[in-house]
Amino acid sequence: AQRVTQPEKLLSVFKGAPVELKCNYSYSGSPELFWYVQYSRQRLQLLLRHISRESIKGFTADLNKGETSFHLKKPFAQEEDSAMYYCAPLLYNTDKLIFGTGTRLQVFP
Amino acid sequence: DAGVIQSPRHEVTEMGQEVTLRCKPISGHNSLFWYRQTMMRGLELLIYFNNNVPIDDSGMPEDRFSAKMPNASFSTLKIQPSEPRDSAVYFCASRLQGSNTEAFFGQGTRLTVV
Repeated sequence: AQRVTQPEKLLSVFKGAPVELKCNYSYSGSPELFWYVQYSRQRLQLLLRHISRESIKGFTADLNKGETSFHLKKPFAQEEDSAMYYCAPLLYNTDKLIFGTGTRLQVFP
Repeated sequence: DAGVIQSPRHEVTEMGQEVTLRCKPISGHNSLFWYRQTMMRGLELLIYFNNNVPIDDSGMPEDRFSAKMPNASFSTLKIQPSEPRDSAVYFCASRLQGSNTEAFFGQGTRLTVV
C-alpha cells in the first residue's frame, strides 16, 4: 500500500538551530517527491521538488532510495520558517498525490 | 490566472443539512483533487479527477460524501447529511498531469457543522 509517514507532529527549535523534518515513504515503483509548506492563514504551496535538486529558502531535501526517505533540512532555522510542512510522493505513472500527516515547525526567537 | 478558487471560504451549518463546496481549477489543468485537513489526520485525499472523470474515490469517508466534475472548470463536493465530525478545512487543488508538475491549492473552505 502507498504510504507516507511524517513521524513528528511538532518540531520546536530556536532561531539559528539546524532543522530536519523527516519523511518516509512506502511505494511500489519510483515516486516523484515534493515538499509543500503552509504558512499561517495561507494556502499550501510547493516548497521544493526532488527532481529539481534545488535549495529553496535554505531548505534542501535528499532522496535516499535505500531508506525510502526524503527528509527536509535547513542548517539555520529562521522565525519565518514557522509553518506546517507536508511531504508528498507522487507515483510517476499515476496522478494520485498523497500527503503525509504534516509536521508543524515552530522556530522561537 | 487567479489560481484555484474555492467557495465559500467559510461555512457554518447545522447537523443534518446539505453542504456544497465549490472549486474552480486553474484553466488548462486536467487533474483536480479534493482534500480534507484536520489536526488529527492531517491532509487526507478524498477523491481526484482526471479529465473530469473520477479516478480514485477511495478516500471518501462515507456515502454521505459525493463529488462531481461536470466540466473542466468546475467541481463540487457535497455532504448530505452533514455531521459535526465533518468539521474541517476542505481544499481543492489542480495540476497538469505529468511528471514534476506541482499541484496548486485553493484557499480552502472552513466547514463547521454544529
